[in-house]
Amino acid sequence: SAVISQKPSRDICQRGTSLTIQCQVDSQVTMMFWYRQQPGQSLTLIATANQGSEATYESGFVIDKFPISRPNLTFSTLTVSNMSPEDSSIYLCSAKTGASTDTQYFGPGTRLTVL
Amino acid sequence: KQEVTQIPAALSVPEGENLVLNCSFTDSAIYNLQWFRQDPGKGLTSLLLIQSSQREQTSGRLNASLDKSSGRSTLYIAASQPGDSATYLCAVTGNTPLVFGKGTRLSVIA
Repeated sequence: SAVISQKPSRDICQRGTSLTIQCQVDSQVTMMFWYRQQPGQSLTLIATANQGSEATYESGFVIDKFPISRPNLTFSTLTVSNMSPEDSSIYLCSAKTGASTDTQYFGPGTRLTVL
Repeated sequence: KQEVTQIPAALSVPEGENLVLNCSFTDSAIYNLQWFRQDPGKGLTSLLLIQSSQREQTSGRLNASLDKSSGRSTLYIAASQPGDSATYLCAVTGNTPLVFGKGTRLSVIA
């Protein structure tokens, strides 16, 4: 199993600013992901964080808006850039410890409010 | 593109009742299916994972079934309790990370 922590747990930010969310896993994992959950909606995958290379983004998400780093097998960051109120969401980090058939674990989420 | 649908969107039951939550998916080429629980304002708690070769999994009062060929899964909750009140999410993975349904919001009334 894997225990995932995220910082910050919540934040209130002004329009036009940027926020970096940190994700730490308690063990080495093969895959890390970032999801967004907009108010009243389900989870949408933003990107797969690749260790040592550029993240793989899903349709509708771009690197300039959501730059992602993954410097090692246990840590990743997601930055929400030039924020607008539409970016107000819960952002969740997720990871798999082994094969693609394994359980996918989730962090507690970061609740972002943009004013 | 994989799509996951959950029915009903919301459900309210009296305490002690047995209930079934439904999940369907469009692409049967999945590796596994997971059921999660999400409490308001919180992250996800994994409840059950069913591999594509399995038919069901049980954990305590929870039983999840999978019919891969028809693209359906059910989550059965026995003897429901107020503490079961939460949103239940179904998600499937194939060659991609988990794809989620919109969830079923369950309220168990004491």
